[in-house]
Amino acid sequence: SQQGEEDPQALSIQEGENATMNCSYKTSINNLQWYRQNSGRGLVHLILIRSNEREKHSGRLRVTLDTSKKSSSLLITASRAADTASYFCATDAYVSNDYKLSFGAGTTVTVRA
Amino acid sequence: EPEVTQTPSHQVTQMGQEVILRCVPISNHLYFYWYRQILGQKVEFLVSFYNNEISEKSEIFDDQFSVERPDGSNFTLKIRSTKLEDSAMYFCASSENEGQGLFGQPQHFGDGTRLSIL
Repeated sequence: SQQGEEDPQALSIQEGENATMNCSYKTSINNLQWYRQNSGRGLVHLILIRSNEREKHSGRLRVTLDTSKKSSSLLITASRAADTASYFCATDAYVSNDYKLSFGAGTTVTVRA
Repeated sequence: EPEVTQTPSHQVTQMGQEVILRCVPISNHLYFYWYRQILGQKVEFLVSFYNNEISEKSEIFDDQFSVERPDGSNFTLKIRSTKLEDSAMYFCASSENEGQGLFGQPQHFGDGTRLSIL
């Protein structure tokens, strides 16, 4: 399967701490995207990083991409209670004659006040 | 900020019945998608739609499924004869330009329709 796999499955941290989650995938990609999903809501796009990029920042978010290891990481700095959500990586790749976005199972992040 | 809206938020249907899930994508977006998420499982791609035709579809999107853009604002997913295993959250998404491929762009998701098949 092309789908990214996140690690860890769940993460519990204290407010103010950093949260790091990883995503691994299997084949070459065009880009990799991170999404957030709050309970009962849709997915919210966070960051898109292309295959020729190594690092990207957006506010308190930092994403890295290592295409040689087929892995990506998402770092949330100075976490807040509002960051409590599930985080998904999605790989955009040409698979079986189609482009499609394939999601991982997600990392559930709980930020304790 | 513009949003993708989906209706209804929850649909309960008897097995074998037809169901139509509705979505209003962001108005200037050109590419539209449906995904589903079975409880506790990954979000799965169903279909993408551009210029009034299907551009990509997954193996899940069989003959029981169809999509339509009946007017300039709505985008619908129809399941012709629902099965128990169709129970899931269905998400609609849209992107301004192609959301997949070499120049892939972020996709904007609605809050989903929870489909329960009895």
